[in-house]
Amino acid sequence: DQQVKQNSPSLSVQEGRISILNCDYTNSMFDYFLWYKKYPAEGPTFLISISSIKDKNEDGRFTVFLNKSAKHLSLHIVPSQPGDSAVYFCAAITGTASKLTFGTGTRLQVTL
Amino acid sequence: NAGVTQTPKFQVLKTGQSMTLQCAQDMNHEYMSWYRQDPGMGLRLIHYSVGAGITDQGEVPNGYNVSRSTTEDFPLRLLSAAPSQTSVYFCASRGTGGRSTEAFFGQGTRLTVV
Repeated sequence: DQQVKQNSPSLSVQEGRISILNCDYTNSMFDYFLWYKKYPAEGPTFLISISSIKDKNEDGRFTVFLNKSAKHLSLHIVPSQPGDSAVYFCAAITGTASKLTFGTGTRLQVTL
Repeated sequence: NAGVTQTPKFQVLKTGQSMTLQCAQDMNHEYMSWYRQDPGMGLRLIHYSVGAGITDQGEVPNGYNVSRSTTEDFPLRLLSAAPSQTSVYFCASRGTGGRSTEAFFGQGTRLTVV
């Protein structure tokens, strides 16, 4: 039972354009959401997060939007850069926050 | 500051062999976890620990054992390796500063079971 889903396994975007990565969840008890970025042969690294009491969080080129009623969040990258090419995982937390539940990941390729 | 260190980076096992994947962190984090990454499956939680002496199962615990005798170390044991355990394994640690506390990951162990 996949509680966090990323339905697009891959996405290709031109440099300078907007990248939009989507994530859906089924567990209404999730109250904190995070995005991680992963380069090949490296561990995931934290990118940005959002609490369920907010609908938007922005950090430089990265913005995460949360739609609680739709159980949907998205990560916007503007403008996209070649260095953003990586696999992006969304993750969710509930309760004691001792563990993260990850999605399946979306591979983003930013082309020149 | 080393962060989260996993060893080995690569390993090939024969079916039925056992081995231990090592994970150590130097950030005094209470929470530690093991994940496996498989194509199309994302990162799936195997086991986790909320402190020394306390462990619990994640989504896919079968075939794996863990222990947490110290805050720093969280080894993952494969009891009898199977080809289905071919995967990339990641160890992660987090502090107890609340939901916003970042999780730090090791560089991963690529395991092949033949």
